[in-house]
Amino acid sequence: EIVLTQSPGTLSLSPGERATLSCRASQSVSSNFLAWYQQKPGQAPRLLIYGASSRATGIPDRFSGSGSGTDFTLAISRLAPEDFAVYYCQQYGSSPFTFGPGTKVDIK
Amino acid sequence: EVQLVESGGGLVQPGGSLKLSCAASGFTFSGSAMHWVRQASGKGLEWVGRIRSKVNNYATGYAASMQGRFTISRDDSKNMAYLQMNSLKTEDTAVYYCTRGAGCNGGSCHNYGMDVWGQGTTVTVSS
Repeated sequence: EIVLTQSPGTLSLSPGERATLSCRASQSVSSNFLAWYQQKPGQAPRLLIYGASSRATGIPDRFSGSGSGTDFTLAISRLAPEDFAVYYCQQYGSSPFTFGPGTKVDIK
Repeated sequence: EVQLVESGGGLVQPGGSLKLSCAASGFTFSGSAMHWVRQASGKGLEWVGRIRSKVNNYATGYAASMQGRFTISRDDSKNMAYLQMNSLKTEDTAVYYCTRGAGCNGGSCHNYGMDVWGQGTTVTVSS
């Protein structure tokens, strides 16, 4: 089973600042099948990034994903008020399709 | 509109069983893998398992902690996916989400992770 580690656990930033979230896998993610999801309280998760770097439909271009193999990054170029949420990475290249523990981005 | 709607959650005693349903609409259900993901209150996301499409022989896979207790099935004629949960434990208490996985529509296939999610249904295992 691939274990995903996310850092930091919490990121405290102000609107307009850049956010950089990290996701590290215990072994190489097959075909870079790495996704990022955003979840707000009381809501279902929303797909942001798939295939490590492709934005899902309707996702603003301030969100970008990068990385390959075992190290991946989600960047939010300028935080909008609606971006304060919890972000999860997930590998879907090999079963079981594991999630990271999440990074909470909150308002400083 | 592409949509997934879960139902069937509720209160069940430890050791009991429950069957969740997921109604799909707005896309070619038969060509898509379907997953279940759960989330305990205040905790992170946990993948439960998935069922692949007919062309992939309806293959299933599960997280280790659910293997042997949970069974995922589907009825393509009804655009429905199901999660049968047996021998339930208090630690199975969570919101359960149905999600869409990799799929094919005609000759075009994609693997976008889990791009469509339902609103979730709550399962509480308690005496």
